[in-house]
Amino acid sequence: QSVLTQPPSVSGAPGQRVTISCTGSSSNIGASYDVHWYQHLPGAAPKLLIYGNGNRPSGVPDRFSGSRSATSASLAITGLQAEDEADYYCQSYDNSLSGVIFGGGTTLTVL
Amino acid sequence: QVQLQESGPGLVKPSETLSLTCTVSGGSIRDSFWSWIRQSPGRGLEWIGYISYSGRTSYNPSLKSRVTISVDSSKNQFSLNLRSVTAADATVYYCVRGPEEFLGDPIAYYFDYWGQGALVTVSS
Repeated sequence: QSVLTQPPSVSGAPGQRVTISCTGSSSNIGASYDVHWYQHLPGAAPKLLIYGNGNRPSGVPDRFSGSRSATSASLAITGLQAEDEADYYCQSYDNSLSGVIFGGGTTLTVL
Repeated sequence: QVQLQESGPGLVKPSETLSLTCTVSGGSIRDSFWSWIRQSPGRGLEWIGYISYSGRTSYNPSLKSRVTISVDSSKNQFSLNLRSVTAADATVYYCVRGPEEFLGDPIAYYFDYWGQGALVTVSS
């Protein structure tokens, strides 16, 4: 059971917009710790997609965006492409656990 | 471009110690904290712990009793030891850069560079 809760799966057709939620609590996201997102393609290492709630590392398309509010965060992907099919993880810090925490991951399927 | 490469035995016997080393190239190990993260089937990503070039560490409470992370700044390497392994420890282990460091403290808990991953099997 992950401290951050994500839906197990989401799906969308090419060109559509999908969002992935990440729900935390008062000891992590609600305590104003930043949320970060990773894309994990099969057979590859996870890749940092969004850091600091809504910042994109160099090279990440602006189709990917992140936001945070209260005790939750969201990753939005617009103009869905087949290459976006992957697992997506949110990550933050928890002060009651005194450590880094991850969501359970969401599998994105492009229909 | 920072690159990380894991190395170590891919097969460990139950109850023995898993040992992996990460070599950092394209950057200095003094520039950041460095972590180990593992990917467990059905359990997603799990942070194991981090270390600074000076040896400051923090571990996942659920693994703390079995984990030691060490650093060799002269070789730009850091290492993971996980004791008393069981089948539940068989998975892919990643060495990663992060958290970001400022004046010796972690200030931003994200991971921007990852090694390719080392698959560890636990079997007698």
